[in-house]
Amino acid sequence: AQKITQTQPGMFVQEKEAVTLDCTYDTSDPSYGLFWYKQPSSGEMIFLIYQGSYDQQNATEGRYSLNFQKARKSANLVISASQLGDSAMYFCAMRLNSGGSNYKLTFGKGTLLTVNP
Amino acid sequence: DAGITQSPRHKVTETGTPVTLRCHQTENHRYMYWYRQDPGHGLRLIHYSYGVKDTDKGEVSDGYSVSRSKTEDFLLTLESATSSQTSVYFCAISESAGAGANVLTFGAGSRLTVL
Repeated sequence: AQKITQTQPGMFVQEKEAVTLDCTYDTSDPSYGLFWYKQPSSGEMIFLIYQGSYDQQNATEGRYSLNFQKARKSANLVISASQLGDSAMYFCAMRLNSGGSNYKLTFGKGTLLTVNP
Repeated sequence: DAGITQSPRHKVTETGTPVTLRCHQTENHRYMYWYRQDPGHGLRLIHYSYGVKDTDKGEVSDGYSVSRSKTEDFLLTLESATSSQTSVYFCAISESAGAGANVLTFGAGSRLTVL
């Protein structure tokens, strides 16, 4: 079974600085996908970025990038030039691409990011 | 916005009463999911569906049942609600599954309080 660990319950960052949110995962399957979602205080879940296990390059989407270190089984989210609107809960998630598990997204417990002015 | 509507958005009920949450999509996506979100637990999968009348259990399915009689509707039923089922429930949809960025798109959530 897959497992996602987010070790930082809360993080603080100054506006305009970069911040890294940690995510480690555990699976023996070679094919999987890693996702990051943002949940602002309003409650909706917003997809940010995706990384496939066979992707050669780290994923980037605007100010978001995913620092994918396969050997370490880590998929850290990097937010550059933080903005006040980045204050939210961030969830790392993984989906296995094999067998009957390929429908299911397993989430970590989340990291609450606060951006200070 | 992706066409996902959850109803009701808020509900307060008493222990032992049945509750049904509805998820309606206009995207014609094959896959639908119900998650619950609790502090300290993130989101946990309750049930999912991979087609009309095709459903399966997730990691926290005890006390819940689901039905999908039409592509667009996925119902989550608590036959006899308990206080431990107080939570925020999210419906999600995806066009496909398997390898690739098959992103789950979430509804706005339904907050259920069981007294």
